[in-house]
Amino acid sequence: EPEVTQTPSHQVTQMGQEVILRCVPISNHLYFYWYRQILGQKVEFLVSFYNNEISEKSEIFDDQFSVERPDGSNFTLKIRSTKLEDSAMYFCASSRALGWEDSTDTQYFGPGTRLTVL
Amino acid sequence: AQKITQTQPGMFVQEKEAVTLDCTYDTSDQSYGLFWYKQPSSGEMIFLIYQGSYDEQNATEGRYSLNFQKARKSTNLVISASQLGDSAMYFCAMREDFGNEKLTFGTGTRLTIIP
Repeated sequence: EPEVTQTPSHQVTQMGQEVILRCVPISNHLYFYWYRQILGQKVEFLVSFYNNEISEKSEIFDDQFSVERPDGSNFTLKIRSTKLEDSAMYFCASSRALGWEDSTDTQYFGPGTRLTVL
Repeated sequence: AQKITQTQPGMFVQEKEAVTLDCTYDTSDQSYGLFWYKQPSSGEMIFLIYQGSYDEQNATEGRYSLNFQKARKSTNLVISASQLGDSAMYFCAMREDFGNEKLTFGTGTRLTIIP
């Protein structure tokens, strides 16, 4: 069964460093998302991406964050200058359609990248 | 205001018993989707079951079923014949179909199955 993959599974970085989190969505999916989950808290939406541009972003997704689909398979989240509070699990998700296109469509999540900022 | 409310932070259930995890939601949209995800201790988010706002039947998926009460804005997850492997965090989430693509999650319920 196709699945979303993410690399690395765990990233440790120093405060102020740039990190790039990588995702390979399910191959026939068109919509891509990043979510994050601070330890012990709920999952929060960061950004959605379609047709090579951001379609929606949350207030968390400030100028330090960017997303890119550099080729036909990868989807990346870059944090330019990491802060301590960026420590979290970051989930990539993908879906075939949007809710208004197909209300039954589901977002499938990758296994997550645990980011630790020291 | 909270859009998704899960009032049970933790639950303990005897193996083989059924368990109901509560979820209420708040939306003024007519078209929306409700989802449940399981997060085991390993951390991944596993999709379990979906209910559409226009679905007249309660969704079922193996041992998982939803008790969807639209007028009360609740979509409780029922797990029948619980197994030790069901021990995990369970998150309820909503997608409002028009104008929003994001999933909004509740705070989750930690379910522990006791042998």
